[in-house]
Amino acid sequence: GENVGLHLPTLSVQEGDNSIINCAYSNSASDYFIWYKQESGKGPQFIIDIRSNMDKRQGQRVTVLLNKTVKHLSLQIAATQPGDSAVYFCAENGGSNYKLTFGKGTLLTVNP
Amino acid sequence: EAQVTQNPRYLITVTGKKLTVTCSQNMNHEYMSWYRQDPGLGLRQIYYSMNVEVTDKGDVPEGYKVSRKEKRNFPLILESPSPNQTSLYFCASSLYTSGRPNEQFFGPGTRLTVL
Repeated sequence: GENVGLHLPTLSVQEGDNSIINCAYSNSASDYFIWYKQESGKGPQFIIDIRSNMDKRQGQRVTVLLNKTVKHLSLQIAATQPGDSAVYFCAENGGSNYKLTFGKGTLLTVNP
Repeated sequence: EAQVTQNPRYLITVTGKKLTVTCSQNMNHEYMSWYRQDPGLGLRQIYYSMNVEVTDKGDVPEGYKVSRKEKRNFPLILESPSPNQTSLYFCASSLYTSGRPNEQFFGPGTRLTVL
C-alpha cells in the first residue's frame, strides 16, 4: 500500500552544523506533509508543515522542501543544537482519506 | 494550558482483561486520533474521528474500539487485550480545515504491557 519512508534511520552531526533529514513518499495524491520531532519519553511535537501547492516553507531555523516530481520531502535544520537531538518523523495526508501516515523516523544526534 | 491528556500513563494488564485508555483535549478540536508506536515501525494510526459520532479505521484497527460521544473525549477500548497489543499509545487532536487535519497535538503517551 501507500507509505511514507525515510532514507536514513540515523544521522549524527556536530553542533553548529546544518542537518538534512530526508523522507520519501509513494502516494502521488498526498497533498499535505508534516514534520514532527519526538524527544525521548515524550509525544511527537509539530515542527512545520507544507501543502502541495508549495515547494518550500521556512520556520525558525527549519526549512521544509517538497519535490513532488520525485515524491521527496526534506527537513533542514540550521545551526543544529544539542536540543535538536530527537527522532524526526515525516507524515503525509492525501487522497480521499483523512488519515495521517507516518514514516518510521530518523534519529538525529547532535555532538557537542 | 492547551493540552491533550491521557490516562493512565502506564498500565500492565493480563490477556483478555478489558481496558480503556482515556484521552481528552481542551482545544475544541474536531479531529482526534489514536496511534501506536512500536520499535522499527514508527507511528501507526489505529482510529480517527472527524467529529462527534464520526469515527473511522486507521491502518491497524484490529482489536481496538473507540467512541466519540463528546468533542473533547476519545477513549480507546481494548475489549480483550493480547500481548501483541503491548505498545506505546498516543492520542492526538487537531483542527480540521478544508477536509484535512492540521497540525496535530499529541498527548504524553500511555505505555501498555499485556502479559
